[in-house]
Amino acid sequence: QVRLVESGGGVAQPGNSLSLSCAASGFNFISSGIHWVRQSPGMGLQWVTFISKDGRTKNYSDSVKGRFTISRDQSKNIVYLQMSGLRLEDTALYYCAKTGSTYSTMDVWGKGTTVTVIS
Amino acid sequence: QSVLTQPPSVSAAPGQKVTISCSGTRSNIGVSLVSWYQQVPGTAPKLLIYDNHNRASGIPDRFSASKSGTSAALDITGLQTGDEADYYCGTWDTSLTTIVFGGGTKVTVL
Repeated sequence: QVRLVESGGGVAQPGNSLSLSCAASGFNFISSGIHWVRQSPGMGLQWVTFISKDGRTKNYSDSVKGRFTISRDQSKNIVYLQMSGLRLEDTALYYCAKTGSTYSTMDVWGKGTTVTVIS
Repeated sequence: QSVLTQPPSVSAAPGQKVTISCSGTRSNIGVSLVSWYQQVPGTAPKLLIYDNHNRASGIPDRFSASKSGTSAALDITGLQTGDEADYYCGTWDTSLTTIVFGGGTKVTVL
């Protein structure tokens, strides 16, 4: 079945780095864009970044632009989120999701991986 | 403060109907397709509705959605206890050039 599995979350200090992975299976990976969406404890959904199916287009929210980098490895069916310059407000559950009928539709989501930034 | 505005909560008795509104602007809902997501506490969001009104695979027809101008709405009829969850609208904002979500609406079945 279609599946996305996030990994790489953990605890980090402000200013440090973490790298998240989103492993995809059960669908044609090279035909789908991938989003990262995060959710701080008790809060709503916040879009973080997107990478197109061919990896050529990347978009970032203003809150992470210049600090986070998204990439994908087509041979491994994995999308990466390299996070640097971490801030306390980056603490959240990070989900990856694949695009559906359009760029802005997220039709399958992973279970998420938790990032905690504490000083 | 979310770009899209949703009521924090709605509630109704089992079998009744609830409507969740999602208000935006000409740069987002006014020109882009809207999706709706259901998030049961402790689980990942799940796509309910895409392209304004199309139900995702496996979603019962008790869930329906519409869009008019800069607002969208999600209706849930025949409310069931299993429908208790947070519901989010989302779309592309052409001015911000980002995906935007509503703040979420908690549905409670009385």
